[in-house]
Amino acid sequence: DVKVTQSSRYLVKRTGEKVFLECVQDMDHENMFWYRQDPGLGLRLIYFSYDVKMKEKGDIPEGYSVSREKKERFSLILESASTNQTSMYLCASSHSGSSTDTQYFGPGTRLTVL
Amino acid sequence: SQQGEEDPQALSIQEGENATMNCSYKTSINNLQWYRQNSGRGLVHLILIRSNEREKHSGRLRVTLDTSKKSSSLLITASRAADTASYFCATVLRAGGFKTIFGAGTRLFVKA
Repeated sequence: DVKVTQSSRYLVKRTGEKVFLECVQDMDHENMFWYRQDPGLGLRLIYFSYDVKMKEKGDIPEGYSVSREKKERFSLILESASTNQTSMYLCASSHSGSSTDTQYFGPGTRLTVL
Repeated sequence: SQQGEEDPQALSIQEGENATMNCSYKTSINNLQWYRQNSGRGLVHLILIRSNEREKHSGRLRVTLDTSKKSSSLLITASRAADTASYFCATVLRAGGFKTIFGAGTRLFVKA
């Protein structure tokens, strides 16, 4: 079974802090994704990566950056956390870029910025 | 509004009843997928239906797709309390490569 793990289930940070969210997958997947989930808005794509050191902006990249130094690890960075970044963050991975790819999700990190 | 929109937003039924959730979308798709999310957890893939398919079954799940109406439905038969979760449709469309867009979800509550 594919396993996607995220570094924290719950995180509380203060405004202005730098925040790192880490995601690791164990199935040698090419693609990795970061989403945020807010009530009534569903999942919104922040960034994705289709290869090591490659990244593409999603729909809402502002205020975020990412890093993919190894194939299995994809990090989301909030350079200076703000209260409007309080949300549930979900990491996902998929095998390749085919149309029938399914995404495998981690358990999520619920981030609160005070 | 979003590419994929689920209806209803929330649904409450008794155990043993059938649950039907609908998804409408705006642009042509390659395929449509349904995912489930238990409270506070990640999403889990349930089923995929291709644009040239009309119906697909998996256990107690039945998915239909009507590309002329740009809509899909997910039917869960003989629901159980353990089916309580949020259900999301995800449309896969060609945009350079392939892009997956998730809807806002339907929250299903099955009462024992």
